[in-house]
Amino acid sequence: NAGVTQTPKFQVLKTGQSMTLQCAQDMNHEYMSWYRQDPGMGLRLIHYSVGAGITDQGEVPNGYNVSRSTTEDFPLRLLSAAPSQTSVYFCASSLQGVGGYTFGSGTRLTVV
Amino acid sequence: LAKTTQPISMDSYEGQEVNITCSHNNIATNDYITWYQQFPSQGPRFIIQGYKTKVTNEVASLFIPADRKSSTLSLPRVSLSDTAVYYCLVGDISSGSARQLTFGSGTQLTVLP
Repeated sequence: NAGVTQTPKFQVLKTGQSMTLQCAQDMNHEYMSWYRQDPGMGLRLIHYSVGAGITDQGEVPNGYNVSRSTTEDFPLRLLSAAPSQTSVYFCASSLQGVGGYTFGSGTRLTVV
Repeated sequence: LAKTTQPISMDSYEGQEVNITCSHNNIATNDYITWYQQFPSQGPRFIIQGYKTKVTNEVASLFIPADRKSSTLSLPRVSLSDTAVYYCLVGDISSGSARQLTFGSGTQLTVLP
């Protein structure tokens, strides 16, 4: 039982490049979310999903897209990377909110 | 959305009990209280969740008074490995909206030898 798996763990992008951060969970959780965490700050919600085919925006959605074609996967796409998107990105999943969210180990992204 | 207020930092010594209080004056009827722990360079880890009175698990206890306007996370006999940031979140966990769950700045707990 792997929990929540995020790939890659580290990534350096040039300004304007696009990429996809991968997130997969094997716990059959319906709820999945993406957060970003900047140094010394709490986590901010980017996008979330309550099930396959359903997504919604969080607090800081601009510059990011998501899709949820399966229960297991919830990829986050950066459309045109900017230095302001340098951050640590966490994916999380939950069984309908009960028992809290299980977080992945994060992707550290640097945009130069 | 219920806003939470926690102390920015706390220090304790090994073996002591630590209590971290979170204020949430505008908590709604359907809101639950959830606490997370985060170590540097790791994702947050769920500690405990409750609605009212007292909840206890193998790691911590959560005390919620009758008016639910605050809650206290209690960590018994802390060790150096409990040094971390602790977040209190308040929201309707059954609503499906992760927007209900907002991470504040958390409380940096430092356990000293």
